[in-house]
Amino acid sequence: KQEVTQIPAALSVPEGENLVLNCSFTDSAIYNLQWFRQDPGKGLTSLLLIQSSQREQTSGRLNASLDKSSGRSTLYIAASQPGDSATYLCAASSGGSEKLVFGKGTKLTVNP
Amino acid sequence: SQTIHQWPATLVQPVGSPLSLECTVEGTSNPNLYWYRQAAGRGLQLLFYSVGIGQISSEVPQNLSASRPQDRQFILSSKKLLLSDSGFYLCAWSPSQRQFFGPGTRLTVL
Repeated sequence: KQEVTQIPAALSVPEGENLVLNCSFTDSAIYNLQWFRQDPGKGLTSLLLIQSSQREQTSGRLNASLDKSSGRSTLYIAASQPGDSATYLCAASSGGSEKLVFGKGTKLTVNP
Repeated sequence: SQTIHQWPATLVQPVGSPLSLECTVEGTSNPNLYWYRQAAGRGLQLLFYSVGIGQISSEVPQNLSASRPQDRQFILSSKKLLLSDSGFYLCAWSPSQRQFFGPGTRLTVL
C-alpha cells in the first residue's frame, strides 16, 4: 500500500530565497508522481507531473525531481515570491494505476 | 479549453439529511473522473473514480455513493449524512495521467 509523507508540515522563508520541499513514498513501483499547489479554501492546481521513467521536470521557477530507488521526490522553487505562499501537495500513483495517494502537504509562507 | 465545475460551493446540512454534489467537465470527452474528500488535519482521500458512464469504483467503504449518468457528469450522493461526512469535497478529471481539480464544495454537517 502506497503511503506518502511530506516534511516539514510548514515552512517560512524570506522573499528571494531558493527552497526545497520534500516528499517520500513507500512503494517505488509508481506510475507517476505529481506536485500540486492549494491556496486556502480552493481546489488544487497541477504544477508538475513526473513519469516513472523520468528523473525531473521543470516549469518556470519550479523543478521537481524523482528518485524511485530512494522513494523520494523534491520540489525546488527558485527565487521565492510572496505569491508562492500556499500549501504544496505531493501525490504518488498507487498499484500501477493512475489513482493518486496524497501527502498531507507542506504549508509554505514567503515573507516580503 | 477544458473547465471543471462543482456545485454548490458551500453547503450546510443537518445530520440524517440527503446529499447530492455535482461535478461537470467541459471541453473534453470520456475523461477519467474522481471524487476526493479533504478533512481537517487529514490528507486528500480518494473516494470514487470512474473511467466511463456507469462505471464507478469505490475506494473507501463509507456512507457515500457516486454515479456517472453522462460522460462528463459525476455525482456524489448520500441518503443520510453523518457528522463525519463534513469536509471539503473535490472533483477531478484526467485525460490520461495528470489530474485537474475543480473548485470544491465545502460541506458542513451539523
